Amino acid sequence: AQSVSQHNHHVILSEAASLELGCNYSYGGTVNLFWYVQYPGQHLQLLLKYFSGDPLVKGIKGFEAEFIKSKFSFNLRKPSVQWSDTAEYFCAVRGTGTASKLTFGTGTRLQVTL
Amino acid sequence: GAVVSQHPSRVICKSGTSVKIECRSLDFQATTMFWYRQFPKKSLMLMATSNEGSKATYEQGVEKDKFLINHASLTLSTLTVTSAHPEDSSFYICSARDQGAHTEAFFGQGTRLTVV
Repeated sequence: AQSVSQHNHHVILSEAASLELGCNYSYGGTVNLFWYVQYPGQHLQLLLKYFSGDPLVKGIKGFEAEFIKSKFSFNLRKPSVQWSDTAEYFCAVRGTGTASKLTFGTGTRLQVTL
Repeated sequence: GAVVSQHPSRVICKSGTSVKIECRSLDFQATTMFWYRQFPKKSLMLMATSNEGSKATYEQGVEKDKFLINHASLTLSTLTVTSAHPEDSSFYICSARDQGAHTEAFFGQGTRLTVV
């Protein structure tokens, strides 16, 4: 069964600090990987995704993530966070079939202070 | 990106009644839609996978008779919570995926169900 592990449950950073959120997955096959963000009171939005090719993917709002196949990891990074990045971040994995299920990690709550 | 519309956004119902939640893909056809439940401060838990024109596939532990799913067209799936109880109160989210393997899923804005 596929699973996703996000080790950081709650992260507090000052503005301009660098961010790295960990994500490890378990899946027996080719994967698609995603990071979603949920701002307070809003629905899930896609930050970035990896399907194939360059393992370093860039998303919206200055976020990027690196797929390291040997480590089954897909960590999210941002060099300098802003107060507006305060949100819940979810890593997700699925197989490549058309009906593959998306499995989410437990989420990381990021709080950015001024 | 594509838009998934979920309705209603909030609903309060009495214990024992049924509630229907709609999920529509507005600008694409979704052969597969997914229904999730999100508990406070927890992740999204997949409840079922809804396939157009066929029966939904439920995850282990999800009661089929309680959470009725219908996917009558390529743009509409509905989740009906039957005989609702206070413990069914939760945030329900649908997502829809365009056809093809390398496509992302788009999420609705969610429905906050409160059973009193």
